[in-house]
Amino acid sequence: AQSVTQLDSQVPVFEEAPVELRCNYSSSVSVYLFWYVQYPNQGLQLLLKYLSGSTLVKGINGFEAEFNKSQTSFHLRKPSVHISDTAEYFCAVSGEYGNKLVFGAGTILRVKS
Amino acid sequence: DAGVTQSPTHLIKTRGQQVTLRCSPISGHKSVSWYQQVLGQGPQFIFQYYEKEERGRGNFPDRFSARQFPNYSSELNVNALLLGDSALYLCASRGLAGGRSYNEQFFGPGTRLTVL
Repeated sequence: AQSVTQLDSQVPVFEEAPVELRCNYSSSVSVYLFWYVQYPNQGLQLLLKYLSGSTLVKGINGFEAEFNKSQTSFHLRKPSVHISDTAEYFCAVSGEYGNKLVFGAGTILRVKS
Repeated sequence: DAGVTQSPTHLIKTRGQQVTLRCSPISGHKSVSWYQQVLGQGPQFIFQYYEKEERGRGNFPDRFSARQFPNYSSELNVNALLLGDSALYLCASRGLAGGRSYNEQFFGPGTRLTVL
């Protein structure tokens, strides 16, 4: 069985500061890893994904994440956040082909001016 | 190109009623999945359909059912609604085989179901 733990339910940060949203996963098989963002009253938008290859993955809106197999982590980072980054962020894992995503509980990123 | 579309956007039902939610995938996508997102939680997988056949089912009771049509659109049905079924229901379609986005699921805006 697969599971995802997002270690922080809320992360407050000032505008232009760096941020890291933490994600740990558990899986007995090879995994695909994803970060999605959800703005209020909207669906999910993919930020980035790790399927194979380079462990540093770059996504949209200046976000990046690093896959660490030994620590079973896939933390999301951004060097300088904007007010518009305020949203809820979900880490997800899936098996082959990206079917049946298993999501974490989400982290609310609040960017303050 | 249009993304994944869902209807209706909002729905209010009472306990014991039945509801049908609809989803149209991105043109050409043959795989549709349904997720339930209860307020304050991450989405939970309900069903996956591919080429009109059920290919996966999450840990949901038999009150939940779904189907996929020849045009790859899909319906999610929930019978005998309970208060706990109140949630945002998300539909996602998966990219085409062999394409760059084959392993990515594209989500619709969701249907907000409130059960009173």
